[in-house]
Amino acid sequence: DTEVTQTPKHLVMGMTNKKSLKCEQHMGHRAMYWYKQKAKKPPELMFVYSYEKLSINESVPSRFSPECPNSSLLNLHLHALQPEDSALYLCASSQAPGGGSYNEQFFGPGTRLTVL
Amino acid sequence: GQNIDQPTEMTATEGAIVQINCTYQTSGFNGLFWYQQHAGEAPTFLSYNVLDGLEEKGRFSSFLSRSKGYSYLLLKELQMKDSASYLCAVVSGGYNKLIFGAGTRLAVHP
Repeated sequence: DTEVTQTPKHLVMGMTNKKSLKCEQHMGHRAMYWYKQKAKKPPELMFVYSYEKLSINESVPSRFSPECPNSSLLNLHLHALQPEDSALYLCASSQAPGGGSYNEQFFGPGTRLTVL
Repeated sequence: GQNIDQPTEMTATEGAIVQINCTYQTSGFNGLFWYQQHAGEAPTFLSYNVLDGLEEKGRFSSFLSRSKGYSYLLLKELQMKDSASYLCAVVSGGYNKLIFGAGTRLAVHP
């Protein structure tokens, strides 16, 4: 299984809603990532989890709250979002948090989020 | 600062060869990835370079010069399905942090 899955594929929410994005991989990877991608822009790193611990937070607003319940799962909890948060949210995983050709990041298909 | 430059758009003809350049200035360097991304889909891995030189994988090759802060992706025997965005990404710092260039949108026409 060389796949990263994400649910839901699409999400529409109001500014007062609370929702969660889910990501799962069964490749035994120990590093997982959240990216935000706006239209016609590259992915921007939000968070990195290494061995289920938060290693990098790229100064993301607290209305985004990541969680890594175990080595296969990564969640992104959303609360009080703004319309400008509408984007494609990509999850990725890699074998380990270090560099190297064996450490390519595998991306999930993303969740397209619209905030009304 | 961190800066990765790629051309915004390129066009090419089916069956031809195209070279997509990437120049970078980053505070650290632990390798460079090329990813392909079709519209509305996830990026998929194409190549990785950490040492100077050329890496070849079928129709795709990638070159790196660390001293010049320069890489290119070479696509041969272009097919219509190669129409996509090509993202250059530098591994900078710890935790496999990827810094992406803005991407090059390639349009392949008959």
